[in-house]
Amino acid sequence: DAGITQSPRHKVTETGTPVTLRCHQTENHRYMYWYRQDPGHGLRLIHYSYGVKDTDKGEVSDGYSVSRSKTEDFLLTLESATSSQTSVYFCAISASGPSGLNIQYFGAGTRLSVL
Amino acid sequence: TQLLEQSPQFLSIQEGENLTVYCNSSSVFSSLQWYRQEPGEGPVLLVTVVTGGEVKKLKRLTFQFGDARKDSSLHITAAQTGDTGLYLCAGAGAGNMLTFGGGTRLMVKP
Repeated sequence: DAGITQSPRHKVTETGTPVTLRCHQTENHRYMYWYRQDPGHGLRLIHYSYGVKDTDKGEVSDGYSVSRSKTEDFLLTLESATSSQTSVYFCAISASGPSGLNIQYFGAGTRLSVL
Repeated sequence: TQLLEQSPQFLSIQEGENLTVYCNSSSVFSSLQWYRQEPGEGPVLLVTVVTGGEVKKLKRLTFQFGDARKDSSLHITAAQTGDTGLYLCAGAGAGNMLTFGGGTRLMVKP
């Protein structure tokens, strides 16, 4: 599992409240990613990080912000949660596989419901 | 924007049948990865194909990368109930970025 821990695993919140999801890795990987998964859409990239304090937007970044103050932690924040942000959120890291190609390893996900 | 279309979206078959899942794009990818995801878990990498025309086998699963590196297929022979899950293809682009297809949800009935 490449030492990736997501917390919380489940969260129910109300519209308009801030929410922060945490991704913790233990293997010092440089690249970290946040995706959301919705039926029929596969995985869509929200934000990614290529180092401490180095982050960039992905395909569906509106309404989300991220921070990476330490190599091991990548935080995803919903400033004011909306019902459209109800989803399953996955964190991933990128590491070199056996053939030298970059492979992404995923956490177990956080199921977020915004009521 | 690179897009990957996966088909079919859903597939329900009997144990022992064969099936093929397709992953198509108009873009060229440096490599293509196939993941399998079970309920409540994150995707897990099955295979990476890199060279146009490449074929890789993983027991009863056969993966092929198109000659032009724009499409790929996953063929399962004699499906088993343990093959049930969500199959995702992902194309590798610039940097360490992946573009995911929409997924194929496979159910294999006993």
